[in-house]
Amino acid sequence: DAGITQSPRYKITETGRQVTLMCHQTWSHSYMFWYRQDLGHGLRLIYYSAAADITDKGEVPDGYVVSRSKTENFPLTLESATRSQTSVYFCASSDPGLAGVKETQYFGPGTRLLVL
Amino acid sequence: SQKIEQNSEALNIQEGKTATLTCNYTNYSPAYLQWYRQDPGRGPVFLLLIRENEKEKRKERLKVTFDTTLKQSLFHITASQPADSATYLCALVLYSSASKIIFGSGTRLSIRP
Repeated sequence: DAGITQSPRYKITETGRQVTLMCHQTWSHSYMFWYRQDLGHGLRLIYYSAAADITDKGEVPDGYVVSRSKTENFPLTLESATRSQTSVYFCASSDPGLAGVKETQYFGPGTRLLVL
Repeated sequence: SQKIEQNSEALNIQEGKTATLTCNYTNYSPAYLQWYRQDPGRGPVFLLLIRENEKEKRKERLKVTFDTTLKQSLFHITASQPADSATYLCALVLYSSASKIIFGSGTRLSIRP
């Protein structure tokens, strides 16, 4: 199906474990983003990628690692999960508009992660 | 400090009335301002974008205004319906970084029949 998908949709893990959240988009959008959403904080940018093999930190990157070997995939890895990383994680993609500014982002359905 | 604030309280509106949501920001220079809708358990969905040189934008029953002097955007839903009940997020697209969007925490809107 066309669009942006995330997997798994729900994940329970334990403190200290490595967890990878997957994101896949079929539009060939150049930009991809990872956000976390917590009550009272709204959406906060973790990492983003402007193209394959180009990634950069967002507002809250500590404890996370990303890679982008292919345009359509942008996995997010929690190297050693902590309870504070319990959250809902959203992946998004977009294409640059005029002057490289993103005009809209398309979001996946989210992954709900619980770290015990 | 930089802040983006939306109505902190949930908004309850009678069906058929106009709902007005507020987004205020400080110490940002946005190129664009966007509004998204988010339903429970789903990702945000883009609704409207307004550029800094535009005062008003409309799409069907939606209207957005953008006042860069007041540093405020208003989002209106006219003839509101229960199906409009959702959380609405505003987001700033910054000049300082073409690759980042700053989101507000959202306002939950409930339309009662």
